[in-house]
Amino acid sequence: DAKTTQPTSMDCAEGRAANLPCNHSTISGNEYVYWYRQIHSQGPQYIIHGLKNNETNEMASLIITEDRKSSTLILPHATLRDTAVYYCIVRPRGGTYKYIFGTGTRLKVLA
Amino acid sequence: GAVVSQHPSRVICKSGTSVKIECRSLDFQATTMFWYRQFPKKSLMLMATSNEGSKATYEQGVEKDKFLINHASLTLSTLTVTSAHPEDSSFYICSARDPQESTDTQYFGPGTRLTVL
Repeated sequence: DAKTTQPTSMDCAEGRAANLPCNHSTISGNEYVYWYRQIHSQGPQYIIHGLKNNETNEMASLIITEDRKSSTLILPHATLRDTAVYYCIVRPRGGTYKYIFGTGTRLKVLA
Repeated sequence: GAVVSQHPSRVICKSGTSVKIECRSLDFQATTMFWYRQFPKKSLMLMATSNEGSKATYEQGVEKDKFLINHASLTLSTLTVTSAHPEDSSFYICSARDPQESTDTQYFGPGTRLTVL
């Protein structure tokens, strides 16, 4: 079973920040938080990941709470092309560890 | 980032026939690849872990004789849906990790849409 809980759907106005929450209250000390997104009828795309520190890259920022029981993915200036299903996944690092996908959050960016 | 391809992108077949789907890591070698299936408006469901040079590991409830996986080289894994039935119609996606990358990121293929008539 997926170890994460996410809202089913969210709307965001184009140009505004999209804040997508994820609850992972049973996360273990060696588990990382990964975020992927899936645009309709495509394979998932990697966005960002982190362990306990906040992370930022060209796509997004990841804010992890101090107790690591939840995190927020931030898309600073959402565009229509950011409309997708966003998945938060927790897993240890290592190539043989499986990705277990939850239901994700369906983000709709509105013009 | 690394690129994973799948072929074909979509396939239509008759009930009872077998269909092979290829997953390739284009610019890296992958000892482990993963196969998923996804029904409309549902999340990805892991089917099996494909290991180069050894048998695949199947998730509970996935029939290994129906979904044959072969990982004959470090850049190619194949999924064969045998004796396909309409209920096998789905979106099949593979993923792989580039062991040279320190981020341990999994890269996903674009998916293969299978329709069984």
